[in-house]
Amino acid sequence: KQEVTQIPAALSVPEGENLVLNCSFTDSAIYNLQWFRQDPGKGLTSLLLIQSSQREQTSGRLNASLDKSSGRSTLYIAASQPGDSATYLCAVRRNAGGTSYGKLTFGQGTILTVHP
Amino acid sequence: DARVTQTPRHKVTEMGQEVTMRCQPILGHNTVFWYRQTMMQGLELLAYFRNRAPLDDSGMPKDRFSAEMPDATLATLKIQPSEPRDSAVYFCASGGQGALGNEQFFGPGTRLTVL
Repeated sequence: KQEVTQIPAALSVPEGENLVLNCSFTDSAIYNLQWFRQDPGKGLTSLLLIQSSQREQTSGRLNASLDKSSGRSTLYIAASQPGDSATYLCAVRRNAGGTSYGKLTFGQGTILTVHP
Repeated sequence: DARVTQTPRHKVTEMGQEVTMRCQPILGHNTVFWYRQTMMQGLELLAYFRNRAPLDDSGMPKDRFSAEMPDATLATLKIQPSEPRDSAVYFCASGGQGALGNEQFFGPGTRLTVL
């Protein structure tokens, strides 16, 4: 059974810092990995999707890397801003046929607070 | 802009009552997912559909939960009878045409409270 772990559980940083959020997964047979952002009381916003054949994806100040063999992904946020404060979730999609294909397994998230 | 919509946004009901949650996927998306989020369990997949056909509902308590897609623009999740332990935020997500590995887009969720 796939297990996804995110470290740290919570992170508080001053504005302007570069930071790294970590995600690890136990089963390396994944199809892709997706990073989400969730604001309090809101739904999930997709940030980046990395296919299993890719090493990284970039969008603005966000960069996500994937090391499938070691079961790890990192989300790098450059020059953090108070507006980046949210919970960040990673989710892996199993690489298997049949009815399991497409199923996302989520980590518990990292709560990020960026203070001015 | 295209987005997943869910109704109602909030629902408070008493134990034993029937609850129906609705989701409108992004137009053209052919996969629909139902998730439940609680503080203790985090996000859990309940069920998902492709081209309106249920592919996997193993995450759903079968005795009280049911999920359907009457048409391509509407997905429903029903709980009957509801119990206090069903209190959670229920999210619907949809994905584009093609492989189930496509990116998923989430709705704002329905916050359910069962008293």
